[in-house]
Amino acid sequence: GAGVSQSPSNKVTEKGKDVELRCDPISGHTALYWYRQSLGQGLEFLIYFQGNSAPDKSGLPSDRFSAERTGGSVSTLTIQRTQQEDSAVYLCASSFIAGRSSYEQYFGPGTRLTVT
Amino acid sequence: AQSVTQLDSQVPVFEEAPVELRCNYSSSVSVYLFWYVQYPNQGLQLLLKYLSGSTLVKGINGFEAEFNKSQTSFHLRKPSVHISDTAEYFCASSGGSYIPTFGRGTSLIVHP
Repeated sequence: GAGVSQSPSNKVTEKGKDVELRCDPISGHTALYWYRQSLGQGLEFLIYFQGNSAPDKSGLPSDRFSAERTGGSVSTLTIQRTQQEDSAVYLCASSFIAGRSSYEQYFGPGTRLTVT
Repeated sequence: AQSVTQLDSQVPVFEEAPVELRCNYSSSVSVYLFWYVQYPNQGLQLLLKYLSGSTLVKGINGFEAEFNKSQTSFHLRKPSVHISDTAEYFCASSGGSYIPTFGRGTSLIVHP
């Protein structure tokens, strides 16, 4: 079946512009996650959506970052007034939830954002 | 709070040699444990997982891992590595939280 898809695969933007990154999770997965991965670094958790519950935004680095998930499926991560330090690969993942734990995550290929 | 420690940031090894990538976790509740692999310019891909049952877990590409509750470890092993195994490897745990905890990653470098 189809995996997690993300678009665009690459985005180059000028400092100060807004960008939108899109994620299409695996159908039926109720949980959706956004991560940021800077060059040579590990994963930095940004935000988590689960069904119709309020998202866990505890990882968002500033109020310039926001995300929404429409209809329990597609998600958009928006970065306003981009800064050079926002340059990174943004990864989306989806999974099933069992009880109070997440099963394995399925990751998209990522969007590489470059802010010039 | 959970934590996952990958003890080696980089592991160089020669082709056809065995390799072990170490992972220790801390959790006060039952855990699910995972190893993911990330090839250059790609997303993460699941290698193997431990949910319950047998403590020896076999995954794709000839990798296996052993869940050791007393040592709170989940080390990844492969008896003979190939050049194509060169990648970043992440250990992760999930237990009592909807948000998995990831280690910082181990870079496996296989030399010919």
